[in-house]
Amino acid sequence: DVKVTQSSRYLVKRTGEKVFLECVQDMDHENMFWYRQDPGLGLRLIYFSYDVKMKEKGDIPEGYSVSREKKERFSLILESASTNQTSMYLCASSWGGTGGYEQYFGPGTRLTVT
Amino acid sequence: SQQGEEDPQALSIQEGENATMNCSYKTSINNLQWYRQNSGRGLVHLILIRSNEREKHSGRLRVTLDTSKKSSSLLITASRAADTASYFCATDDNNDMRFGAGTRLTVKP
Repeated sequence: DVKVTQSSRYLVKRTGEKVFLECVQDMDHENMFWYRQDPGLGLRLIYFSYDVKMKEKGDIPEGYSVSREKKERFSLILESASTNQTSMYLCASSWGGTGGYEQYFGPGTRLTVT
Repeated sequence: SQQGEEDPQALSIQEGENATMNCSYKTSINNLQWYRQNSGRGLVHLILIRSNEREKHSGRLRVTLDTSKKSSSLLITASRAADTASYFCATDDNNDMRFGAGTRLTVKP
């Protein structure tokens, strides 16, 4: 079974702090994704990566950065956390290439910025 | 930006009834996927239907796709209380996947 794990289920940070969210997958997937989920807005893509050290901006990259130094690990960084970044953050992974593949999701990190 | 839009936003039924959720989208797709999310958890993939397919089944799930109307439906037959969850459609165009806001299904025992 594919397993995608996220470093924390719940996280509380203060405004201005630098926040690291870690995601690890164990299926050797090429693609990894970071989404945020807010009520009524569904999932919005922040960043994705299709290979080690590669990254692409999604729909809402402002205020975030990412790092992918190893194939299995994709980190989301909030450079200076703000209250409007309070949200549920979901990591996902999938096989690469064209053809359409399902995404496997982690359990999510609920981040509160106070 | 969202691609798929689910309808209805919320649905409440009795155990044993069928539940139908709809998804409409705007642009061309390679495939459409349905996911389920239990409260406060990650999403779980249910079924993928390709643009050249019209219907697909998986257990109690039946998905249809009408590319001319840019719409899809998810039918859950003989629903159970454990089916209570949010259901999302996701459109995929060359690995550019877009999720809708979801339908919240409540199945009452």
